[in-house]
Amino acid sequence: AQSVSQHNHHVILSEAASLELGCNYSYGGTVNLFWYVQYPGQHLQLLLKYFSGDPLVKGIKGFEAEFIKSKFSFNLRKPSVQWSDTAEYFCAVGEGSGTYKYIFGTGTRLKVLA
Amino acid sequence: NAGVTQTPKFQVLKTGQSMTLQCAQDMNHEYMSWYRQDPGMGLRLIHYSVGAGITDQGEVPNGYNVSRSTTEDFPLRLLSAAPSQTSVYFCASSYLTDTYGYTFGSGTRLTVV
Repeated sequence: AQSVSQHNHHVILSEAASLELGCNYSYGGTVNLFWYVQYPGQHLQLLLKYFSGDPLVKGIKGFEAEFIKSKFSFNLRKPSVQWSDTAEYFCAVGEGSGTYKYIFGTGTRLKVLA
Repeated sequence: NAGVTQTPKFQVLKTGQSMTLQCAQDMNHEYMSWYRQDPGMGLRLIHYSVGAGITDQGEVPNGYNVSRSTTEDFPLRLLSAAPSQTSVYFCASSYLTDTYGYTFGSGTRLTVV
């Protein structure tokens, strides 16, 4: 069965530090890849997605992610975090093109210190 | 506003009680699903539906029932609540041939005592 791994469970950074959150998946075929963000007390919101094309994907709020097929990875990055980025971040993977069923990682809780 | 509406936002149940969590969407999405979110375990799929009259089990279906009589509504029923069902429940929807990802509801925080 496909799995999605987010190895960083908790990350604490100071404002202006750079961020990289790891996401690895196990499926070897075509995948759709997502990052969602959940701010405290809120529901999940789509941050960015990859379906095909340029493996470097830019999302909202200055976030980007890079799809590296050979490493089965889709890591999330941000050059300079802000206090308002404090949230939980979830990676999600769907098998095949046009799939509607995604598997979510266990999440990474990010705390940014002002 | 278009989106996914979940009710109630909070609920406390006694062990053995039953209840229904409501989920409605107005985007004409074919796909609807229920997840539970528990600390350290991420989101786990309970049940999903690809259209009216069609439902299927996800990863953790035991203790829950669903039905899909209309495109808009996808209620989740707890048959006999147990403390292990204490969780935050999210409803999510999308088109079947989706390129936009899921739209999530705001969640229901359920406590079973």
